[in-house]
Amino acid sequence: AQKVTQAQTEISVVEKEDVTLDCVYETRDTTYYLFWYKQPPSGELVFLIRRNSFDEQNEISGRYSWNFQKSTSSFNFTITASQVVDSAVYFCALTFSGSARQLTFGSGTQLTVLP
Amino acid sequence: SAVISQKPSRDICQRGTSLTIQCQVDSQVTMMFWYRQQPGQSLTLIATANQGSEATYESGFVIDKFPISRPNLTFSTLTVSNMSPEDSSIYLCSVEWVQTGREQYFGPGTRLTVT
Repeated sequence: AQKVTQAQTEISVVEKEDVTLDCVYETRDTTYYLFWYKQPPSGELVFLIRRNSFDEQNEISGRYSWNFQKSTSSFNFTITASQVVDSAVYFCALTFSGSARQLTFGSGTQLTVLP
Repeated sequence: SAVISQKPSRDICQRGTSLTIQCQVDSQVTMMFWYRQQPGQSLTLIATANQGSEATYESGFVIDKFPISRPNLTFSTLTVSNMSPEDSSIYLCSVEWVQTGREQYFGPGTRLTVT
């Protein structure tokens, strides 16, 4: 069985602070995919990144960076110099390489960036 | 990436009635998924809808309550039948974009309120 844990229910930071959102996953599969999505108040789910289990390179995209560590089964997400527009619920998700490729979502982290 | 639209974007329905939600994709995709997001909660998969076969439902979801159609590779519908207030949720469809390797993109969601 697969499981994704986002232990941080809510985080509040002041604008320009850095913030890290934690994601820990469980899976028995050797090939799997990890995702981060952003859900702003409008409700739409915005794809941020996909990482496969064979690629442990960290990734940076502008103010966003992701740290994937198989040894600790973690896929953490850091926002540098946070902005008010970053306020949203962030979901970490997992799928595997089998035929049933639906996503297993974590419970989400509500990030509030205060001006 | 795929462009996905859903209709209606929101609706308020009376108990005991049914609502059909449409999901349209601008490209042909094999796998489509329907998720439910109850207020303040994470996303839960309802079913996987592949063209040419019956939808596969997750535990806790049944075809009589959530019938799904998938007539072609760009379109699907989800019906929420005999609604009760507990069905008040956001319903989202998603597609797997194999061109870039297992990325899943979501529609804007249908916000349903049952009174």
